[in-house]
Amino acid sequence: EAGVAQSPRYKIIEKRQSVAFWCNPISGHATLYWYQQILGQGPKLLIQFQNNGVVDDSQLPKDRFSAERLKGVDSTLKIQPAKLEDSAVYLCASRWAPGELFFGEGSRLTVL
Amino acid sequence: EDQVTQSPEALRLQEGESSSLNCSYTVSGLRGLFWYRQDPGKGPEFLFTLYSAGEEKEKERLKATLTKKESFLHITAPKPEDSATYLCAVNTGNQFYFGTGTSLTVIP
Repeated sequence: EAGVAQSPRYKIIEKRQSVAFWCNPISGHATLYWYQQILGQGPKLLIQFQNNGVVDDSQLPKDRFSAERLKGVDSTLKIQPAKLEDSAVYLCASRWAPGELFFGEGSRLTVL
Repeated sequence: EDQVTQSPEALRLQEGESSSLNCSYTVSGLRGLFWYRQDPGKGPEFLFTLYSAGEEKEKERLKATLTKKESFLHITAPKPEDSATYLCAVNTGNQFYFGTGTSLTVIP
């Protein structure tokens, strides 16, 4: 069974530039999550999708972050414009309720 | 407020020296407690799920236990390859709340 795929693995940008991350969940997993993990901290939820609908985006900084999950399969997370404090690993996870989360390898963002 | 706290933040063990990692939680409506292992530069890898107080799960040198307020991850006779960050997460339905992790280093 293929795991959660994420790309790119690494991205370096200047502040105020934009960046997009892509995630393809495990086939059949209806629930998809985007987490932000800052070095030395646990993952923090940004947004949760159930199929192509948003379940929880209460912690998403909507002035600069956006996410979509068209057709209820893969998802894109965008940051525009980026700030220095957005430097982190962006983790995508999927779940076939009520089980565990399956994580991708993550996309490491460095904002200079 | 739902909260998950892990201790210690970092732990250094000699190879073969057994110890325990702690995850304490205050949440309403626990639907499961999850342990993950995270290696540097990788995403978290699932280890165990515990659903009710008194439940225990084992895998190789790891054993997870659950009470009404906390969970322990016991590591018996650790090896250097057990070095990683161990994350605890609690599920309250749709939401998963993560702790900040325990960074374990096992010295040969």
